[in-house]
This record gives sequence, C-alpha cells and structure tokens, in this order.
Amino acid sequence: EAQVTQNPRYLITVTGKKLTVTCSQNMNHEYMSWYRQDPGLGLRQIYYSMNVEVTDKGDVPEGYKVSRKEKRNFPLILESPSPNQTSLYFCASALFRGDQPQHFGDGTRLSIL
Amino acid sequence: QQPVQSPQAVILREGEDAVINCSSSKALYSVHWYRQKHGEAPVFLMILLKGGEQKGHDKISASFNEKKQQSSLYLTASQLSYSGTYFCGTEIPQAGTALIFGKGTTLSVSS
Repeated sequence: EAQVTQNPRYLITVTGKKLTVTCSQNMNHEYMSWYRQDPGLGLRQIYYSMNVEVTDKGDVPEGYKVSRKEKRNFPLILESPSPNQTSLYFCASALFRGDQPQHFGDGTRLSIL
Repeated sequence: QQPVQSPQAVILREGEDAVINCSSSKALYSVHWYRQKHGEAPVFLMILLKGGEQKGHDKISASFNEKKQQSSLYLTASQLSYSGTYFCGTEIPQAGTALIFGKGTTLSVSS
C-alpha cells in the first residue's frame, strides 16, 4: 500500500530535549515536505526537499532541521524543543515537485512542556 | 504570502451548495485544493494550473482565474461526507516549489 509513515504519532517531552520525528514514503517520490498545523493558522511549511541532499526552507523553518540522505526518508529534527513548537506535524511527499498532488502522513502530535 | 480563504466557516444542510474562495496578493503558478476531516491527514482534491481552467471531482469542482489571482471551490448538492476543513494551497514563482496553504474553511453538513 502506497503510504507516508510518520513516527511517533504522539509525543510528550520537555523543553530542550532533542527529538526526531521520522518520515518514510514507499512511493519513490522525489519531493518531500514537513508542515505544522496550528489552530487558526492552517498548514505552514517548515522545510521541503526536491531530491536527496537537496533541502530548502519553507515558511517557518526556525528551530527545525531536516536531512535527506535517502530518497524515502525525511526526518524532522528539533535540536532544542521549546513550548512554541507544540503542534501537529505532517510529512508529505509528491512525485517530483510541490506542484503535484501531495500525499500526507497521519500526523505527529508533539507536546513540549 | 499566505492565500486568504473565505468564508472561514460554512454550515449547510444536505443537498445545499457552497462556494469557497481563495485569493492571493501574488501571481500564481497553480492552486491546490485539499480536504481534511477531523483528526485525519489532508487529502488531495485537485490542482488547477494557469489558464483559467475548471476541474471537477464528483460534485466538487473548482476554477482558477490567474488574472484575479484567485480560485473558487464549488460544492454542489452537498453530502454529509463533504464535512471537513478545506485548504487551498498556492505555489508562487518567488517561493520555488514551496506550497503555501490558506488557513482553511470549515464546512459542516447536517442532515
């Protein structure tokens, strides 16, 4: 089954403790992206990647890091999480570019205390 | 840069129609529409490219007026399954291939 898999689905942690949210897709997609969703603000793009080793900032990259060492994986790293990063996070992938249909993962709900 | 969606919320009875608008202050390459049900991931509905075309998806269609930099989503004879939050996403030339979403329009359909 074609899918985008995120882990963990839920995480409660404390300020400053480094964490990684993994994202993996099995559709051989070139393009991958991370979004955060907050009430009243919609979906905001954090980072995106056009291909392996190619990443670029989206709208709200501050406080986040990403890497794209393999085509299928695009982890989101919070080096020193803060409470304002409490949010619902979605990973998405598309065949080649962001202007093609994006397939979203089921989301990761992060709470930073 | 974030596109503006209107209205913020719509309440309908089954069988009624609705229009959701999406407008941008910047020139657009394309407009994307997604629907998200509560607690679920957004699901792709359609993409409209430059050229003013109209696309359809069951009883859901959309138009794109690139001169006015806006798109409209038309939901005809709404069904209970149409309930959810609708997002438009725009790709603007200056932002590479980043997709920028509006804040969403919540649609509630009741019987």
